[in-house]
Amino acid sequence: DIQMTQSPSSLSAFVGDRVTITCRASQSISMYLNWYMQKPGKAPKFLIYSASTLQNGVPSRFSGSGSGTDFTLTISSVQFEDFAIYYCQQSYTAPVTFGQGTRLEI
Amino acid sequence: EVQVLESGGDLVQPGGSLRLSCAASGFSFESYAVSWVRQAPGKGLEWLSTITGNGDYRHYADSVRGRFTISRDNSKNTVSLQMNSLRAEDTALYFCAKDQVSGDGHINFDYWGQGTPVTVSS
Repeated sequence: DIQMTQSPSSLSAFVGDRVTITCRASQSISMYLNWYMQKPGKAPKFLIYSASTLQNGVPSRFSGSGSGTDFTLTISSVQFEDFAIYYCQQSYTAPVTFGQGTRLEI
Repeated sequence: EVQVLESGGDLVQPGGSLRLSCAASGFSFESYAVSWVRQAPGKGLEWLSTITGNGDYRHYADSVRGRFTISRDNSKNTVSLQMNSLRAEDTALYFCAKDQVSGDGHINFDYWGQGTPVTVSS
């Protein structure tokens, strides 16, 4: 199975900060990398697919980059509603696997 | 509008069985794979199983293979997860999620339900 490792596990930021979350795959996954945001008690929300394509309706302050094994999610100017847990997920091959999550907190 | 709604979660004893259901609407149901993903309390997301749109292919995580069975009824726009031989470690919130793209073999979860809770305890 492909292991997905996110860093950091948690991150503190202020509103307006630029933040970057990293996701590393244990083998090359091309650009088959997705990002999700989850708030407490809620379902995950689909943010980015194919490493860098924003899902419809996702604010442009979110961006993704990377290919192969190393990927990043960047929020250019963090807003209050962005404080949540972020997960990466590889869709390159079965079984689908997720990173352990990165908690973005104030 | 795409909607996904899980049901069937409950408190069950170890070794028991439970059947979860996922009802979906707002898209061409038979064209898309549907998956189950769970989240243990305070933990991350774990993919469990996927069934293709026509039901021909089913995939399972090692942790549930042989105990859980996924199925779908395209006439009712529902997907089910039959869970047998339940263990304490199966305690989690169980989500149903739709695949973003029809039939390309790469699973992106674009719509999720709110989850149904399963507790395995005596």
